[in-house]
This record gives sequence, structure tokens and C-alpha cells, in this order.
Amino acid sequence: QLQLQESGPGLVKPSETLSLTCTVSGGAISSNNNYWGWIRQPPGKGLEWIGSIHYSGDTYYNPSLKSRVTISIDTSKTQFSLKLSSVTAADTAVYYCARAPPVGATDSWGQGTLVTVSS
Amino acid sequence: DIQMTQSPSSLSASVGDRVTITCRASQSIISYLNWYQQKPGKAPKLLIYAASSLESGVPSRFNGGGSGTDFTLNISSLQPEDFATYYCQQSYSSPPTFGGGTKVEIK
Repeated sequence: QLQLQESGPGLVKPSETLSLTCTVSGGAISSNNNYWGWIRQPPGKGLEWIGSIHYSGDTYYNPSLKSRVTISIDTSKTQFSLKLSSVTAADTAVYYCARAPPVGATDSWGQGTLVTVSS
Repeated sequence: DIQMTQSPSSLSASVGDRVTITCRASQSIISYLNWYQQKPGKAPKLLIYAASSLESGVPSRFNGGGSGTDFTLNISSLQPEDFATYYCQQSYSSPPTFGGGTKVEIK
């Protein structure tokens, strides 16, 4: 059974870079049909797709965040990562990693990790 | 981006009630519409994909329909474990976008 687990700091200072890693187990990170992505949810609010990556390295980003986002993948470690630069309080959210195609349903999710942006 | 509008934003219902949630897209998305259930403190769970296909393991009391711009999620007989927030999502074009959610509360 596919499992995803987020890891990374829970507190980031304003203007710094948020960095999270997702470890995938129970499934092939390099499967041609799998896209791996990040989705976030500010406290008490709705869901926002951040971006996705294919094991080949092809990336797809939400245009609203594209200038600040980098998603990368390390198939040898079965991990993919999110970097979000120049964060502000508006980036405070629960961040989920998921099997998330840029066009398609998101059928497997990590448990989520709360990242707070505060000095 | 395609805008997704859900209604109502919240509803109160009793166990055994039939519940309908609607989702409207700002342009045609054919049948590229997914529904998720989210309970407090948990990740969303995929219920229905491609407007009407039930995800494996999801009870048959959940039913999705619609095409083009208008979609519905029906719960035929509400169970205690169904009290949650439901989100629709379009997967027709990138970026995939979500509706604002419908919170189903106990009456």
C-alpha cells in the first residue's frame, strides 16, 4: 500500500525558504504513471495545489506560486521535495504531499505537516 | 484558472438523510471532476473521480453525477462517519483547482 510521509521544519521565519521532503514507500516512485505533488491548506481554509513532478523530472507549478516554488525528486531515496522561497505569514498552512498528477485525481495523500511562518 | 464554486458552504443533516452537494465550474470541464472528503485533522480522501466513478473502498451510498459545468455529490443515507467537509476539484486543466468546501454537520 502506497504511503507518503512529509518531514521538515514546522517553523520558518519570514523571507526565508520553506523546505519539505516527502518519503514514498509501498509503491514505485519511478512508475511512468506517477506524478508526485504538493498541496497546501491554510488553517480553516480550502485546498491549493502547489505543483507536481514526474520521476523524469518534468515539473508543473501553480502559476500563482511559480516564481517561488521548486519541486525536485530523488528516486534513489524514493523522496521528492518542496522549496518555497520568500515566505510570508500567508504561506502558513498544512502542507500535504501526494500522488498528484497535474491533470487527474489525487488518490494518495500524506498525513500533512503544519508549517508556520513567524519570527 | 478554472474557478470551482460549491454550494451550500455548510449544511445540517440527520443520520439517514439524503444529502446533495453541488459544484459549478467556470467553464466546461467535461467530466474531469473529483470529490474528496476531509475530516478534522486528516488529509482529504478521494471519494469519486471522473465525475461518477467510485474510488475503491468507498461505500456505494456516495454517488456523483454531472458533466460540463454542473456536478453533484449525493449521499443517499447519511451515516455518522460521513460528517465531514467535502471538496470538489477540477482536473481538466492545470492548475487543478478546488471548490471552497461544504461542511456537513450533525443536525
